[in-house]
Amino acid sequence: GAVVSQHPSRVICKSGTSVKIECRSLDFQATTMFWYRQFPKQSLMLMATSNEGSKATYEQGVEKDKFLINHASLTLSTLTVTSAHPEDSSFYICSARGPGLAGYEQYFGPGTRLTVT
Amino acid sequence: AQKITQTQPGMFVQEKEAVTLDCTYDTSDPSYGLFWYKQPSSGEMIFLIYQGSYDQQNATEGRYSLNFQKARKSANLVISASQLGDSAMYFCAMRVNSSYKLIFGSGTRLLVRP
Repeated sequence: GAVVSQHPSRVICKSGTSVKIECRSLDFQATTMFWYRQFPKQSLMLMATSNEGSKATYEQGVEKDKFLINHASLTLSTLTVTSAHPEDSSFYICSARGPGLAGYEQYFGPGTRLTVT
Repeated sequence: AQKITQTQPGMFVQEKEAVTLDCTYDTSDPSYGLFWYKQPSSGEMIFLIYQGSYDQQNATEGRYSLNFQKARKSANLVISASQLGDSAMYFCAMRVNSSYKLIFGSGTRLLVRP
């Protein structure tokens, strides 16, 4: 299957700072990328959908000014958590899909564990 | 509203036996897709199996099969011949329409006993 990477895999930052997480499709063009958040022992919750070259679509209740998403190229989407607080500590996972893949195919990155102290 | 329900927070199964993980869904859209993912402790999401709403036959992938009962709106995952490496969280998910975004259930933690 196709490969999606995330960087960093783990990050610790201080409260009030911003942190950027990268999601890359390594062997296919990702026209659409999704960002999910998973709190401990909970399910994945979709935060936003980003399409290459356009603004991200955020799910209800997700602050777009706090979670900045940029999908500037067909292989890279970034999620920036601005002014992070301890309650933003979570596991962030991206997924990607693109043309050439079957309609159901969507590939997940390995996730980024964010800890805000 | 679309919703996925997994009612089994945790399950045990003896190695080499089969186990069924339950999943029910709710949608009014006639076109949808159902997925099962495995999430080991490392956190990665591993795709297991997919069933489209218009598929006539139940999906199978190796030791995984999906028991799709459309009238009951259920999409249970059957794992045959369980292995110790099957111990993980399992999530049922649904895609509605052509949006491609997934709605996940709360998950079932499966523990395979030797």
